[in-house]
Amino acid sequence: QVTLKESGPALVKVTQTLTLTCTFSGFSLNTRGMRVSWIRQPPGKALEWLARIDWDDDEFFSTSLQTRLTISKDTSKNQVVLTMTNMDPGDTATYYCARSTKHAGSFDYWGQGTLVTVSS
Amino acid sequence: SYVLTQAPSVSVAPGQTARIPCGGNNIGGKSVHWYQQKPGQAPLLVVYDDRDRPSGIPERFSGSNSENTATLTISRVEAGDEADYYCQVWDRSGDHAEFGGGTKLTVL
Repeated sequence: QVTLKESGPALVKVTQTLTLTCTFSGFSLNTRGMRVSWIRQPPGKALEWLARIDWDDDEFFSTSLQTRLTISKDTSKNQVVLTMTNMDPGDTATYYCARSTKHAGSFDYWGQGTLVTVSS
Repeated sequence: SYVLTQAPSVSVAPGQTARIPCGGNNIGGKSVHWYQQKPGQAPLLVVYDDRDRPSGIPERFSGSNSENTATLTISRVEAGDEADYYCQVWDRSGDHAEFGGGTKLTVL
């Protein structure tokens, strides 16, 4: 059974750095083909893909946010960590992590999401 | 970046067929995936690779993709199908994922 769960602060201040952790089970990021992405959704708005890390350590980032994002994995803990620098109220959103198994593949399993509010 | 265009809303009566389009330049050459999202819930994959259904998704959900439009079709619509629906592709030119703006399906 594949599960993912996001964790991190519910509230961050403007200019601070956000660190989110995705803890997953039911698969391993050591397994060829496995990939974990981060996706966010501002309240009442559409989904926005942020970043992805693959089993072979390949990393991919949103063009508009790549200068602010880092992504890493700890395969021993089954975790993927996303950091986003210089937070702004416009970054207020629910942040999801999701799994995919092909380069251009779908996100077949999602976490429940975690709401992050950026306050000034 | 690659742009996916979805109509903001679609309305359909129960028992009828809902068609939700997703427009993109030569989208027929890409694999399109569709997600259903109900209020307060995470998205749920309902169609992948244009027309395949994950286990547990009813056969009422189907997909097609040709030229500049991909379409999610929901047959025999039920009240429980009311949700936001998002299309998604992987843009190989920029090596990133793209989502459409979402379509709110209202069951009258």
